[in-house]
Amino acid sequence: EAQVTQNPRYLITVTGKKLTVTCSQNMNHEYMSWYRQDPGLGLRQIYYSMNVEVTDKGDVPEGYKVSRKEKRNFPLILESPSPNQTSLYFCASSNTGGRDEKLFFGSGTQLSVL
Amino acid sequence: QKEVEQNSGPLSVPEGAIASLNCTYSDRGSQSFFWYRQYSGKSPELIMFIYSNGDKEDGRFTAQLNKASQYVSLLIRDSQPSDSATYLCAVNTVSGSARQLTFGSGTQLTVLP
Repeated sequence: EAQVTQNPRYLITVTGKKLTVTCSQNMNHEYMSWYRQDPGLGLRQIYYSMNVEVTDKGDVPEGYKVSRKEKRNFPLILESPSPNQTSLYFCASSNTGGRDEKLFFGSGTQLSVL
Repeated sequence: QKEVEQNSGPLSVPEGAIASLNCTYSDRGSQSFFWYRQYSGKSPELIMFIYSNGDKEDGRFTAQLNKASQYVSLLIRDSQPSDSATYLCAVNTVSGSARQLTFGSGTQLTVLP
């Protein structure tokens, strides 16, 4: 089954404790992206990757890191989480090129930073 | 900063009515326009995409695009309670190798039985 898998689904942590949210897709997509969703603000792009070893900042990259060492994986790293990073996070992937690109979303990670 | 604006709602319509959802965008270079539906607690799923001026129909859904007015809309005919969700407008701008997809804040739709 074609899917984007995010883990964990829920995460509670404390300020400053490094964490990683994993994302993996099995559709051989070149493009992958991370979003955060906050009430009233919609989905905001954190980082995206057009291909292996190619990453770019989105609209809200501060406090986040990503890496794309393999095509299927695109982990999101919070080196020193802060309470303002409490949010719902989505990973997504799609094919590169073309204009009619459907994004496949993971099921989301609800992060709480205390 | 490229912007995508939607009325946050909530928008309530009776069952069987037409629901009209609107979206405006700021970047005239935008090339592709998407409507995603998001049920509470779930991830967004694509309903429609459009990139040419005019209407595009898919079942009960019609997307309308007017690039001159920088306006895109989604009409849902014969609305059903199962259509109750948040609808996200997204705009994709591609320039060379750079790519950005910007989402609106979403419109919450409730279809009343």
